[in-house]
Formats: sequence, C-alpha cells, structure tokens
Amino acid sequence: QQPVQSPQAVILREGEDAVINCSSSKALYSVHWYRQKHGEAPVFLMILLKGGEQKGHEKISASFNEKKQQSSLYLTASQLSYSGTYFCGTEAMDTGRRALTFGSGTRLQVQP
Amino acid sequence: SAVISQKPSRDICQRGTSLTIQCQVDSQVTMMFWYRQQPGQSLTLIATANQGSEATYESGFVIDKFPISRPNLTFSTLTVSNMSPEDSSIYLCSATSAAGYEKLFFGSGTQLSVL
Repeated sequence: QQPVQSPQAVILREGEDAVINCSSSKALYSVHWYRQKHGEAPVFLMILLKGGEQKGHEKISASFNEKKQQSSLYLTASQLSYSGTYFCGTEAMDTGRRALTFGSGTRLQVQP
Repeated sequence: SAVISQKPSRDICQRGTSLTIQCQVDSQVTMMFWYRQQPGQSLTLIATANQGSEATYESGFVIDKFPISRPNLTFSTLTVSNMSPEDSSIYLCSATSAAGYEKLFFGSGTQLSVL
C-alpha cells in the first residue's frame, strides 16, 4: 500500500523553509527520502530506521515517528537547487523484502 | 556507492513488438529491482530481479509481459513484451549494495514510447 505524502506541491522563495510529510498505514522498518529532478533519476537523501531517529545533513533533515508511522522531511533556508520532486519510500515489516514502496511525491519549486 | 548503466536511454517502438532493457552495475549488489514511472507520477515496483532464479513480481505485473533475467550479481534485463501504448513509460533499474537499510541507486532510466 502506497504511503501518503503531503503536500502535493510547494512553491517557496529562496531562504524559506518547508516540511514534507509521509504517512503509512503499515508498520515500517525504514523510511527513505529521494529527490528527483526533471528528466533525471531519483537521488538518495537519507534513510531513517524504526526507533524514531532523526537525521540530517546540511540544511535538510528528517524525522521518523515510529508510533505514528510518519516521517517528515525538513528543508531549511531553501536554495534554488532544492527544486524537484521529493519521494518517500517505505519498507514495511510485513513484506519480508527490501523493495521500497514510494509515495506519490511532493513537487517543490524554489523561486529567486 | 554503485553506478548503474542502463540502455537504451530511450526508444520508440511499434505496437506488438518487444524491447529489452539492459542494466549493468559497476559493483556487486545484493538486490536489483525494476520500477516503472509514468510522467509526473510516482515509481511503481514491477519486480525484484533474483540472481539465477525467477524474478518476484508485484501485483499487476506478470512474467509473460515483463520477463526479467539476472544471470549474475551485476547484470539484469527487463523485456517489455507485446507492447501497447499503455506501456509507454520510464523504466528504471535500481540496486542496493547491502541486504537492507541501504540506499537505492538508480539507473538513468529508459524512456519508452509505443506507437
């Protein structure tokens, strides 16, 4: 079952912050975040494992609430290079596999 | 990290024909997957390519339509058989270099158009 992402689209000015949410109805091993620019392959951002950890690098961080099976991606002081579509990918505990199920995506546009 | 080479990068095919997409990884990986992505849409898993055995298909995808091979740890092919315009999409090969909790690497994709 596909995780639910929100919002579907965001338009920001440079320097503004954004939060993208990902929610699953299943118990999860992990949540992955990827960014895809138009015409390119998705690029890995980070993984969060069950245990409610928070990760980050530079101005992009994420959290995972294991009790709610929800993850949030935080983009701080956005840059033009942050534009693209963000996907969360979830690994459910009942699948017994390592294949990810991706959310519908959040289209982020950062304007000057 | 792994670098994935995928070819062809794009093709235009006639209805009823078949196309085989190749995926080569530059290092040994444990898991390889094939995804499909409609323009502006999410990534949908087609199947997990298993080395030396039949692929594991997701609901809605069958071996007769999407035969997959993986003869070794670094190479896989996906064939789109008896194509129809509904098969027009981007097909992405991906791989992970560990048995779990590791990031997916993606090939650059094959953009398929069926006339």
